Parts: sequence; structure tokens; C-alpha cells
Amino acid sequence: QKEVEQNSGPLSVPEGAIASLNCTYSDRGSQSFFWYRQYSGKSPELIMSIYSNGDKEDGRFTAQLNKASQYVSLLIRDSQPSDSATYLCAVNGVRGGADGLTFGKGTHLIIQP
Amino acid sequence: DTEVTQTPKHLVMGMTNKKSLKCEQHMGHRAMYWYKQKAKKPPELMFVYSYEKLSINESVPSRFSPECPNSSLLNLHLHALQPEDSALYLCASSPKSGPDTQYFGPGTRLTVL
Repeated sequence: QKEVEQNSGPLSVPEGAIASLNCTYSDRGSQSFFWYRQYSGKSPELIMSIYSNGDKEDGRFTAQLNKASQYVSLLIRDSQPSDSATYLCAVNGVRGGADGLTFGKGTHLIIQP
Repeated sequence: DTEVTQTPKHLVMGMTNKKSLKCEQHMGHRAMYWYKQKAKKPPELMFVYSYEKLSINESVPSRFSPECPNSSLLNLHLHALQPEDSALYLCASSPKSGPDTQYFGPGTRLTVL
């Protein structure tokens, strides 16, 4: 049974600061890792995907993966009030073909103006 | 373009009704998914279709019946639902089977009376 753990928060960060979101996963066979942003009442929106150890940067977002520690994180630089949302960490393994995502419970991020 | 469309946006049904949810993508993706999301919970995988064949059924009750008429369409037929089935139903697609980025549609908000 795959498990993905996140601190549910809320995580409160001042505007302009760096927000740091963390996630751990249980299945060492997991191969793909994703961060989704979800606003209240809306569907998840892909922010970042990462497949290999190290950092991956896209604009204000940086994803970090450490497979040995089974740890993935998301940094948001220059946080904006519009970044206030729930951030879902998701993990995808391989089950002989298409696999579904296993989500963490999400971290509620609040950016204070 | 990574658009997945879902209809209807909202659905209210009684426990004796039969209804269907529809999902469509025209990105040539070969894997499609149904997820269920209850309030303040993460999405939970229900079904996976890979190359139009059902590859994963996460022990979902038979009152939910998926159908994949072609590579662009995914339906979820609903019959004799219970009030606890009220949730946001999310469709997603990915370019190919196996670990790959999944893109979500806007969801159908279902209320069972």
C-alpha cells in the first residue's frame, strides 16, 4: 500500500518570502513525483513534475527529489497571495501499465499580504 | 493544449436515478482515469483505462460503471448511488500508460439526495 505523507498545515508565509512544502512517500518503487495546486472547489492543476534525484526549477517553483530519503519538496520563491491554495504531492509507480496517482492529504498554504 | 473537459459541471440525483458523467480529451492521450474527491480530502483513484482497456479497478462498488467508447471519451455510469457518494468526480488523462504526467479536467460536482 503506497502512502504519501504531507503536513496538512496551514502553513502561513509572508508575501515575498519562500514557501517550503515537504512530502515523504513509502514505496521505494515509485518513479514519478508531482506537485499539484488546488484552489477551493476547483480541480488539481499541475505545478511541477520530477523524475530523477536533484532539483528542477520552473520560474518561481523548484522541486527537489531525494529517492534515498524518499523525500520530495517544493519551494515557492517570492510568494504571492495568489499562491494561497492547497498543494498536493502525488506519486506514481508502475503496476504493469498505466498507474494512478497516490496523493498526500495536501498542505494548505496561506500567503499573508 | 492540455485540456480535459467534463460534463456536466454539477449533477443532483436521487438514489434511484441512473445518470452518466462524461469526460473528453483531444490530445491523443492513451490513458484516462477517474478519481473521486470528498471535501477536504485528496483525490482517490477509482479506475484506469489504458489504450481503451480497463487496467485498474480500485475495488469500486458496482453502482459505478466505467466505459471507454474510444480513445478520446470516458464515461462513468451511475446507478443506485448513496448519499455518501456525493463528491467531486475528476477525470484525468496522460499521454501514455505507465508513469506519466496526468492532466485533470474541471470535475463534476455530484450530490446524491
